[in-house]
Amino acid sequence: ETGVTQSPTHLIKTRGQQVTLRCSSQSGHNTVSWYQQALGQGPQFIFQYYREEENGRGNFPPRFSGLQFPNYSSELNVNALELDDSALYLCASSLNVGDEQYFGPGTRLTVT
Amino acid sequence: AQTVTQSQPEMSVQEAETVTLSCTYDTSENNYYLFWYKQPPSRQMILVIRQEAYKQQNATENRFSVNFQKAAKSFSLKISDSQLGDTAMYFCAFSGNAGGTSYGKLTFGQGTILTVHP
Repeated sequence: ETGVTQSPTHLIKTRGQQVTLRCSSQSGHNTVSWYQQALGQGPQFIFQYYREEENGRGNFPPRFSGLQFPNYSSELNVNALELDDSALYLCASSLNVGDEQYFGPGTRLTVT
Repeated sequence: AQTVTQSQPEMSVQEAETVTLSCTYDTSENNYYLFWYKQPPSRQMILVIRQEAYKQQNATENRFSVNFQKAAKSFSLKISDSQLGDTAMYFCAFSGNAGGTSYGKLTFGQGTILTVHP
């Protein structure tokens, strides 16, 4: 069984640009959550998708948006990148809302 | 809103010894879930142990056990017989109960870096 995968592993962008990060959920999982982890900090909840619908959002501005596709893979889009967006972005999938979350290895985003 | 606090930025322990990591939290909910996650240097976050607040019995998973004090809102992790592979960042996390807005969404603490020395 394939675990949660994320792409790309690393990414360098310039302030003001836009970025798309991708997550492939574990087989059979219909829920995906995205977290932002700044260096040396705990992850912060960005948003969650359940069966292609947004199911909750953390304290992040609208320039953070997401999608979940029919195969339950997911994207995180960030517009108008700021230096503070530099972080490790983690996605986690679960069989259903509230079930154990399985994390991917993350995408390290650096904004210069 | 929930908050999770880990007051120990770093801890160290000798191999085979026991170490306890502390966590306190604040919530107005009566039923919820608490977790300890491990993030090794390879970055992949792994669930170590989970506790349901309505269960009085402390959860255990092999060498890992928790001391859950609901009234004090305290949730510590004890690692017995520490191994070199236990070296990682450990996060305490909270999730609300089914039906609540925080159900299935994790609120993490700041983390504790644990180093196990040979």
